[in-house]
Amino acid sequence: GQNIDQPTEMTATEGAIVQINCTYQTSGFNGLFWYQQHAGEAPTFLSYNVLDGLEEKGRFSSFLSRSKGYSYLLLKELQMKDSASYLCASGGYSGAGSYQLTFGKGTKLSVIP
Amino acid sequence: DSGVTQTPKHLITATGQRVTLRCSPRSGDLSVYWYQQSLDQGLQFLIQYYNGEERAKGNILERFSAQQFPDLHSELNLSSLELGDSALYFCASSSGQGAGNSPLHFGNGTRLTVT
Repeated sequence: GQNIDQPTEMTATEGAIVQINCTYQTSGFNGLFWYQQHAGEAPTFLSYNVLDGLEEKGRFSSFLSRSKGYSYLLLKELQMKDSASYLCASGGYSGAGSYQLTFGKGTKLSVIP
Repeated sequence: DSGVTQTPKHLITATGQRVTLRCSPRSGDLSVYWYQQSLDQGLQFLIQYYNGEERAKGNILERFSAQQFPDLHSELNLSSLELGDSALYFCASSSGQGAGNSPLHFGNGTRLTVT
């Protein structure tokens, strides 16, 4: 089975840096994804980590430690438009034996002036 | 624009009824996934099809069924609807066979309201 934990809500100031943590327990793990979802809209892909370490993509970076079952998403130079939910998702074997992508419940980030 | 098309955008229906949600994947993607998103549960995986065949099954109720057609579009059928089925239903597609090694691209969703 799979279990993913991430904080429910976070608040940060415009221009600052924020780190959103995610811990996972996944059988047959083969990748960790981060998605951004604005309220009422579709999730959009941000990053993918399959090996340990940091992946940087502009203002967004994502880190993975497979031995610790831990990932974080780092957002730099926060902008008001970054206010959204950030979903951590891991690929692995489900309890039913099939291979699937399981999402955490998301971290709602509010960026304040 | 993800390239994944879902119709309809909104659906309002009564308990006990049956509805069909439709999804066209991105050009070139062979996998289609269906997810349900409600306020308290987050995104819940329902089912995946790859090139017309069922590939993976999540927490999909027996009242729900899906299929993928030869042109790769997919339909999710929800029957004997209950109030608790009210949710956003997302379709996603990817190029890979299995989830976890290629990103999913999501459609804009169908908002189902059961009254």
